[in-house]
Amino acid sequence: DAEITQSPRHKITETGRQVTLACHQTWNHNNMFWYRQDLGHGLRLIHYSYGVQDTNKGEVSDGYSVSRSNTEDLPLTLESAASSQTSVYFCASSESGLGELFFGEGSRLTVL
Amino acid sequence: DAKTTQPPSMDCAEGRAANLPCNHSTISGNEYVYWYRQIHSQGPQYIIHGLKNNETNEMASLIITEDRKSSTLILPHATLRDTAVYYCIVRGFYNQGGKLIFGQGTELSVKP
Repeated sequence: DAEITQSPRHKITETGRQVTLACHQTWNHNNMFWYRQDLGHGLRLIHYSYGVQDTNKGEVSDGYSVSRSNTEDLPLTLESAASSQTSVYFCASSESGLGELFFGEGSRLTVL
Repeated sequence: DAKTTQPPSMDCAEGRAANLPCNHSTISGNEYVYWYRQIHSQGPQYIIHGLKNNETNEMASLIITEDRKSSTLILPHATLRDTAVYYCIVRGFYNQGGKLIFGQGTELSVKP
């Protein structure tokens, strides 16, 4: 069955380190999204992509970057991790248009 | 995207219908109403969506008022597994591929 997977599921890192969270989907969806979820803030959109070589900033993009070199993957990179980036990160994908978003199981990142 | 207003929490007895309201008074003509839910620590899950007609699927029913300024998600026979945070989201046709913007949602507790 097609699916969307995130890795790692749990990660602890130190302030200032570079961290990359992987997101891989096998539906061949054009659209992919990264959200973060914190207590009191709900889900907030970080970056999104409508296709290969396309990336766009969301509500809370500062300190994050993404690249889309193929259809299946949208890795999220924290160039210099900060404690404020401790959060649960969700990746999602959808077909073009108003298609349903399918979410991964989340990656819990702790920055010490 | 139009903003939505939902009660922060609701209780429902197991086996009874759960009626979750949502106000979206600034919705425009080409915007849809979507509902997602998030069971504890999991990625959000699509439930249903509609434009102006009532919709029903295997999970729920969506009732949209004639003026489209509010809607109600109905879970006809709530079970303990329906305990989750339910998000009502307005999503525009020209917002290609989603870019779902989540609010705070309603925390539904289904009690035995």
